[in-house]
Amino acid sequence: AQRVTQPEKLLSVFKGAPVELKCNYSYSGSPELFWYVQYSRQRLQLLLRHISRESIKGFTADLNKGETSFHLKKPFAQEEDSAMYYCALSVTGQTGANSKLTFGKGITLSVRP
Amino acid sequence: NAGVTQTPKFQVLKTGQSMTLQCAQDMNHEYMSWYRQDPGMGLRLIHYSVGAGITDQGEVPNGYNVSRSTTEDFPLRLLSAAPSQTSVYFCASSPGLVRRTDTQYFGPGTRLTVL
Repeated sequence: AQRVTQPEKLLSVFKGAPVELKCNYSYSGSPELFWYVQYSRQRLQLLLRHISRESIKGFTADLNKGETSFHLKKPFAQEEDSAMYYCALSVTGQTGANSKLTFGKGITLSVRP
Repeated sequence: NAGVTQTPKFQVLKTGQSMTLQCAQDMNHEYMSWYRQDPGMGLRLIHYSVGAGITDQGEVPNGYNVSRSTTEDFPLRLLSAAPSQTSVYFCASSPGLVRRTDTQYFGPGTRLTVL
């Protein structure tokens, strides 16, 4: 069975400090990984996906199949980055065609001024 | 497009009461799902649907029923509410049937309290 592990519940940093939000996964197939973000009083939204290999709002995440990790990084945190972040793994459902998301437990990032 | 909409935003029930959480999307998405969000537990999949007339169970389906009579709507029913069902419920939709990389679009959530 697939699993997503986010080992920390809270990360508090000062503005301008580097940020790394950890995510590890277990899945026997070829993974598709995402980071979703939930800002205060807003709905959950996609931040980035590994297949895109892009930087969104200064965040990047590299899939490391050897370490089964997909850590989210940003070199200089901003106060507006404060939010709840979820790592998610997309797997093929039982029908063989549809996809389901398995989420980690999430981490709260707090960026202090 | 309104995207994914959910009603109500807040609801308080007494143990044993029944209710339906509504979810609708206007993006013609095939795939819809329901999650519950609990502190320290993340988001857990309750039920999902890959199209009208097709539903399947997720990780935590007990105590919940769903149906998908149209592409647009995916209601979640609590037949006999229990305090353990106190949570924030999110509906999501995705265009994909076969592409695992498709983005899921989330509704604003329904905060349910069962006394």
